[in-house]
Amino acid sequence: EAGVVQSPRYKIIEKKQPVAFWCNPISGHNTLYWYLQNLGQGPELLIRYENEEAVDDSQLPKDRFSAERLKGVDSTLKIQPAELGDSAVYLCASSRGTGGERSYEQYFGPGTRLTVT
Amino acid sequence: SQKIEQNSEALNIQEGKTATLTCNYTNYSPAYLQWYRQDPGRGPVFLLLIRENEKEKRKERLKVTFDTTLKQSLFHITASQPADSATYLCALSEDSSYKLIFGSGTRLLVRP
Repeated sequence: EAGVVQSPRYKIIEKKQPVAFWCNPISGHNTLYWYLQNLGQGPELLIRYENEEAVDDSQLPKDRFSAERLKGVDSTLKIQPAELGDSAVYLCASSRGTGGERSYEQYFGPGTRLTVT
Repeated sequence: SQKIEQNSEALNIQEGKTATLTCNYTNYSPAYLQWYRQDPGRGPVFLLLIRENEKEKRKERLKVTFDTTLKQSLFHITASQPADSATYLCALSEDSSYKLIFGSGTRLLVRP
């Protein structure tokens, strides 16, 4: 099966500019996650979707970050305006989310490395 | 405060030896714990999941133990190979939701 697809892989923008990241999860996976990963740290959850519904967005800085998952398939994460501290890798992951032990396994995309100058 | 601690120093071992990585947690009550592998420039890859009522789980050369009394999980790679060199992340979930909290990872270097 095809893996989680993310684009772009790299993005360099100036501060105060907007930026958007796109993710296409594994086909049939109901649950989609956006994570932020800083260098030398583990991923930190930003938002989790079950189908179209954002069921956990408590860690998403809503003043500048937004996300959507229309039709419960692919998803977009946006930052507007970007700040220097937003430089990080943004990871998308998906899981089956349908019950059973294997539903907890998360499959990650390669990430988008964002540099804000 | 809540913490997940993994050794920040890299673990450097000789090929063929067993690598043992540690994950300690504080002020969490995990329902399950997972281990992931991450290579540079790539996303994490799922390796193993162990539930709170399981003591040990194996998959090929990998073994995970889970001690809820010690609040610790150990991750073992037997007969290690240079290709096992990567960063290994532990992650836990406190309930049956799909929300994972990750540690910062331990880098493993296997010398040929």
